[in-house]
Parts: sequence; C-alpha cells; structure tokens
Amino acid sequence: GEDVEQSLFLSVREGDSSVINCTYTDSSSTYLYWYKQEPGAGLQLLTYIFSNMDMKQDQRLTVLLNKKDKHLSLRIADTQTGDSAIYFCAVLNYGGSQGNLIFGKGTKLSVKP
Amino acid sequence: ETGVTQSPTHLIKTRGQQVTLRCSSQSGHNTVSWYQQALGQGPQFIFQYYREEENGRGNFPPRFSGLQFPNYSSELNVNALELDDSALYLCASSLKAGGNEKLFFGSGTQLSVL
Repeated sequence: GEDVEQSLFLSVREGDSSVINCTYTDSSSTYLYWYKQEPGAGLQLLTYIFSNMDMKQDQRLTVLLNKKDKHLSLRIADTQTGDSAIYFCAVLNYGGSQGNLIFGKGTKLSVKP
Repeated sequence: ETGVTQSPTHLIKTRGQQVTLRCSSQSGHNTVSWYQQALGQGPQFIFQYYREEENGRGNFPPRFSGLQFPNYSSELNVNALELDDSALYLCASSLKAGGNEKLFFGSGTQLSVL
C-alpha cells in the first residue's frame, strides 16, 4: 500500500526559511496535502497541490512537487515562533475511498528566537 | 476554527468497555471521516460515511463501527476496548464533490484505556 515518509524533526531560527520534506510511494496519488497540528489540537489544512502542478505558492508557504521522484516539500518563508508545530504530509489514496488520506508520521518544527 | 466539533474532549475507560464518540460536521459538508492518531504517529483512516452509508474502511476490526445521521453528524463506537485503542480520535468533515477532498478536522477526543 501507499507509504508516506517524513523526517521527524527540524529546528530553525526565527526569520529563516524552513523546508519540510516528504516522499511517497504511490505514483497515482492525485492530491497531496500539508496539515499543521499544534499541541492538544486537531489538524489544520495549510495547503494542497494537484499532481499536474509543480509548484503552488500561498503567502509564506510554497509547495514543490517532483512527481518523478515522488517528493513533496513545504517551504515556510520568514519562519516565526508561532509556526512551531508538527507538520503532516498526506496523500489522497484512491485505492480505498475518497477521503482516505495516508499521512506521514509528521515533522516537528521547532523555531528558536 | 474549522466548524467541526467533537465530544467529549477527553475520556477514560477500562479494558472491555464500550465507548461512543460524537462529531458535528461543518455546515454544508455531507461526508464524515474518522481517524485514529496514536502517540507520535500520523492519523490512520478508520472509515468514512457519506449520505448515512459507510463509504470506505481502513484496516480496523469490526468492533469499530459508526453512524451518520440525516444532519450529517456522526458517531464512532468502539466495543470491547483494548489498551491499544488509547489514542486521539479525529473526525473530519468534507464536501464530496469528486476529486479534491479537503478534510477539515475537529480537535479530537483523547481516549485513554486502562
């Protein structure tokens, strides 16, 4: 089945850019998502990209998709302490039903002042 | 705020008991999905309900069951609780319109099984 991998930790200084990486195995994945989870909270949808796109920009967020390498990244420009959270990459799995997102284990982003 | 509300926020049960978790969808959404998030892991798909019918299921045993009501709210029931059922249970609502399915999550119910 589909597998989604992420590095577990990332530490950056306030004001720097953060890049969170994700790889996936199913080349038929059509939609790919980034979610943010703060302590004690549910998941907040940050952005998504359709598989026929290479890049999507949304304010401080840039998503890059390399479909050949099955690699997705999320760049956060001018990272702030409020960006400290766990970031999940997720891909839509059509093998089951719509709404069946396959998540990575999450990358914990720590932003140091 | 996603408009998805879950209750209760925390729950403690003992092994063998049964539990019911509740979820109210975001206004205008017709689909509810349930996920289990164990500590330090990503969420795992349990099942999805669309128009009151189960519309797909992940790798969870039959003691995990659900309901969706005409107002699109939903329940997750777990029978014969096991210690490994301790997790954060997340409900997500969406509008099934084909293709992109943006899920909006509630804050979850933290279930502890002792």
